[in-house]
Formats: sequence, C-alpha cells, structure tokens
Amino acid sequence: QVQLVQSGAEVKKPGASVKVSCKASGYTFTDFYIHWVRQAPGQGLQWVAWISPKSGGTNYAQNFQGRVTMTRDTSITTAYMELSGLRSDDTAIYYCVREASCGTSSCSLDYWGQGTQVSVSS
Amino acid sequence: EIVLTQSPGTLSLSPGERATLSCRASQSVTSTFLAWYQQKPGQAPRLLIYGASSRATGIPDRFSGSGSGTDFTLTISRLEPEDFALYYCHQYNSSPRTFGQGTKVEIK
Repeated sequence: QVQLVQSGAEVKKPGASVKVSCKASGYTFTDFYIHWVRQAPGQGLQWVAWISPKSGGTNYAQNFQGRVTMTRDTSITTAYMELSGLRSDDTAIYYCVREASCGTSSCSLDYWGQGTQVSVSS
Repeated sequence: EIVLTQSPGTLSLSPGERATLSCRASQSVTSTFLAWYQQKPGQAPRLLIYGASSRATGIPDRFSGSGSGTDFTLTISRLEPEDFALYYCHQYNSSPRTFGQGTKVEIK
C-alpha cells in the first residue's frame, strides 16, 4: 500500500533552517509528483511547492521563493523540503503529499504523509 | 491566484441529515481541477472528491460533488457519526494551488 512517512517534529530558533524528509513506499517513486502543504495552528491548508522525483524539477509558491528548496534521492525513494530563514509564522504542520496520476496536466493530491510539526520559537 | 471561499464556516446538523457545503472561486475553475478533502482532528486530510464530482477510492456514495465555473458543492446525503469533520475544497487549475478556508460540520 502507498505510504508516505515523514521525519519527526522539529524545534528551531528564528533564522535557522529545517529539513524535513518524506519516505515513499508502495509505488514507483519516480512516477508521481510530490507536493508539500502546510497547516499553521488552527488554520487552513497552504500549498508550498512540488517536485518531480523523475526529473528533479520544482515549482515553488511565490510566498516561499528563495527560502524553500525541494530535493529528492531516488535511490532511497525520499523527498526533502528545506525551509530557511525561519520565522515564528512558519510554525506549522508540514505535509508531504503525492499527486495522483489522472491523465491531465494537473491532478488532485491522493496520499498524504502523517505530517511533521515544525515549531519556531526563540 | 485563485481565492476559494467556502460557506458556511460551520454547519450544525444531526446524524442522518443532509449536508450541503459550498465553495466559490474568485475566477473560473475548470471542473476537472477541483477537489474536496476531509480532515479530522489530529489527522492528515483525506481525498474525497476529485474532478469536481468523482469519488476517490473507498469513499462512500453518500458523498457527492457537483458544480462548474466558479460554484462548487459537496453534498453528504445522510450524515454518519464519522462524517463530522472539517472539509476543504482545493483547486489545481492554476498555480499556485489554493485551498478554501474550510467548513466545519459539527453535531447539533
């Protein structure tokens, strides 16, 4: 079965960086894009970025341009999201999510990781 | 960026009742690119509906989606106890992908 297993909770100080991992299993890793979506405490969902595991190509939300970097290691079917210059408003749960395969240019998000809590506090 | 506005913010209903959730887009969204998710406390969201009206794998047929253009609806025909949760609409028609702010379906 498809699984996305993320790394554990992180506590960081303002200005630091955090790198969250997402280990995929149960499907061909390079066949499906991976997205990152975050959820601040008591708030809704915010799309951050996607990566193509096959090509390594990425697309970042404007709000995160210059601060977020997505990478992958196909040998261990793992995607990574690194966020730098952390601020208190980056405190959130970060989800890695698989984009479905639907035959069109863009598809829904069908499998979600369990989420990684990132807390930013001095 | 396409802004999605969900209404109502909270829906208070009893088990067995019908729930109708609305999602309005600030500009037209091709129906192929509209999804709904359910989220329960402490859990990740779960895909319910994609392409505006197609149920995801394993989703009961009491959940249905409809709509086009700028107005979309998620309907739960008869609420089961496990359906009381938060619901989000999501457009993937254009970048950046965006989500509505959510509708909470609570027990009356």
